[in-house]
Amino acid sequence: DGGITQSPKYLFRKEGQNVTLSCEQNLNHDAMYWYRQDPGQGLRLIYYSQIVNDFQKGDIAEGYSVSREKKESFPLTVTSAQKNPTAFYLCASSRGRAVTYNEQFFGPGTRLTVL
Amino acid sequence: ILNVEQSPQSLHVQEGDSTNFTCSFPSSNFYALHWYRWETAKSPEALFVMTLNGDEKKKGRISATLNTKEGYSYLYIKGSQPEDSATYLCAFMTNAGKSTFGDGTTLTVKP
Repeated sequence: DGGITQSPKYLFRKEGQNVTLSCEQNLNHDAMYWYRQDPGQGLRLIYYSQIVNDFQKGDIAEGYSVSREKKESFPLTVTSAQKNPTAFYLCASSRGRAVTYNEQFFGPGTRLTVL
Repeated sequence: ILNVEQSPQSLHVQEGDSTNFTCSFPSSNFYALHWYRWETAKSPEALFVMTLNGDEKKKGRISATLNTKEGYSYLYIKGSQPEDSATYLCAFMTNAGKSTFGDGTTLTVKP
């Protein structure tokens, strides 16, 4: 089955620790995205990548880092510099900006709690 | 940061009622407008991808219109059913591939 996987579903970390969230897709999509959702708010873009080995900052990139070494993988690292990391994180992929109907497909999400 | 606004924030309707929501977005640097439905305990799923001014899309009882010149899109649900209860999100896409989501409209349909 084609889709997007995120692991783990729930993640607990101590304050001051870096943590990496996994996102894998087997849809052969060029573009991948990371979003954060806080209670009562919509999805805010952290980073996005249109092609392997290239990525851009979204609206709330501070305290986060990403890599895109493989087409199917786009891991997100939440660093200790992120002031309020507790949130729900969603990964998405799409066929990319060159395709007109490039709707995003979302993973199940990871809920990160920093204690 | 681009400003994408959705209204109302929440909506409670009776089964059978028709309803509509609004998504407002910048009229410059427009590439596409996406609508998504996000049901509780599931992932967001795309409803429509709209690219041209005047676009109208329809999927069953749900339809959407697009006005890029004035920067708004409407989503309509005809004859709401309890299974339509969800949060409806719109996303403004630039030609650089960047997406900006609104905060969503949460619809509750009472039987």
